[in-house]
Amino acid sequence: AQSVTQPDIHITVSEGASLELRCNYSYGATPYLFWYVQSPGQGLQLLLKYFSGDTLVQGIKGFEAEFKRSQSSFNLRKPSVHWSDAAEYFCAVGGNSGYALNFGKGTSLLVTP
Amino acid sequence: KAGVTQTPRYLIKTRGQQVTLSCSPISGHRSVSWYQQTPGQGLQFLFEYFSETQRNKGNFPGRFSGRQFSNSRSEMNVSTLELGDSALYLCASSLGQYTGELFFGEGSRLTVL
Repeated sequence: AQSVTQPDIHITVSEGASLELRCNYSYGATPYLFWYVQSPGQGLQLLLKYFSGDTLVQGIKGFEAEFKRSQSSFNLRKPSVHWSDAAEYFCAVGGNSGYALNFGKGTSLLVTP
Repeated sequence: KAGVTQTPRYLIKTRGQQVTLSCSPISGHRSVSWYQQTPGQGLQFLFEYFSETQRNKGNFPGRFSGRQFSNSRSEMNVSTLELGDSALYLCASSLGQYTGELFFGEGSRLTVL
């Protein structure tokens, strides 16, 4: 069965500092991996996705993520965080059976001045 | 291009009642997925419809059902409501090919009293 673990429930970073959100997955085959962001009262927005190929993927809003098969990880990074990045971040894994994504419990990001 | 529209945005029901939620996907999108979001369980996949056919189904009781119309609009129904059904119900649409890019609506917030 596929599953996703986001070890950090809350993370606080200072504006301008770098950010790394952790994601570990469990999936028998090659996974399809995603990062979504949810602002308060909003739906989810796709930041980036990995299907195959280059293990470092670039997304919107200056985010990137690196797929590491040996560590079963897909961590999200941003070199310099902006106050507007404060939101809930979800890592998700999917297979080839359609759109049944399996989401992690999310990491809440707080950005301090 | 209009986004995914969900109605109603907020609703309050009592135990035992039933509820119907509506989702209008982005024009041209043929796949509609539904997710339940709660603080305890996080985001859980309910079902996905493609061209009026249920293509995937999550692990929810039969009280949860859905359908898709020929214009790709979708509805989900929950019968015999329980307190635990209180949640944000998110609809997501996509073109239909498996790219993983789901476009989410802002959700319908259901409170069961």
